[in-house]
Amino acid sequence: RKEVEQDPGPFNVPEGATVAFNCTYSNSASQSFFWYRQDCRKEPKLLMSVYSSGNEDGRFTAQLNRASQYISLLIRDSKLSDSATYLCVVRTGGGNKLTFGTGTQLKVEL
Amino acid sequence: DTEVTQTPKHLVMGMTNKKSLKCEQHMGHRAMYWYKQKAKKPPELMFVYSYEKLSINESVPSRFSPECPNSSLLNLHLHALQPEDSALYLCASSQTPAQGPQETQYFGPGTRLLVL
Repeated sequence: RKEVEQDPGPFNVPEGATVAFNCTYSNSASQSFFWYRQDCRKEPKLLMSVYSSGNEDGRFTAQLNRASQYISLLIRDSKLSDSATYLCVVRTGGGNKLTFGTGTQLKVEL
Repeated sequence: DTEVTQTPKHLVMGMTNKKSLKCEQHMGHRAMYWYKQKAKKPPELMFVYSYEKLSINESVPSRFSPECPNSSLLNLHLHALQPEDSALYLCASSQTPAQGPQETQYFGPGTRLLVL
C-alpha cells in the first residue's frame, strides 16, 4: 500500500463548480499535512497547510480526519486558473522528509 | 519572500559530460533539498542538507554528487549520467531541519535535464 494515496483523476469540471479531492495516508504517526499545487512543467507550490480543526483560505477548504487517516480539499466556485495537479503531502515525525501523493489532476472548463 | 532560484532552467548533456545544477535561497533557511521528478510522478527526495551538512542520501547513485558551499547555495554535480536520469530536478528549502508542525518546504522552478 502506498504511503499517500490519491485518485489521479483527471477531474473535468465546469467553471463555477465545486470539486473535492480526497487523500489517504497509511502511517498513523504522520503529524503534518499539506496541499501543494503543481502547474504543468512548473514546480510544486504550497497551497495550504491542513490543520486538525480544518481550515479555509478563500475558496479552498481543507479537512483532516485523523481517525480515518484521510485528508480532503474542497474548491468552491472553480476558476479556469485552478486547473493544475493537486498534491497531497504528509510529513511523519519531526524530520525533513515529505511524502507526496501521486497527485490529482483538475481541469476546469468553460 | 519565499523564493528559491535554480540555474540553468534547461540542460542537455551527453552521457560523458560533467555539469552542475545550482540552487540559491536568501530566506535564511537552514535545510535544503534536491528532488527528482519524472513526468506524471510526484517528486522523489534525493538529498537533504541540514546546516550545510548532508543529512539524508536516499541511496542516490554516485553519478549525482551534492555540495553545499554555504547556507544559501546548493549544487548538484552530474557525471556520466544515463538517459533514464532525464527529469525535472527540483531544489527546495525549509526554515529548519527539525521542522515545526506547520513548517514546510518551498521549491525552486527546477532544472529540466535531458541526457542523450
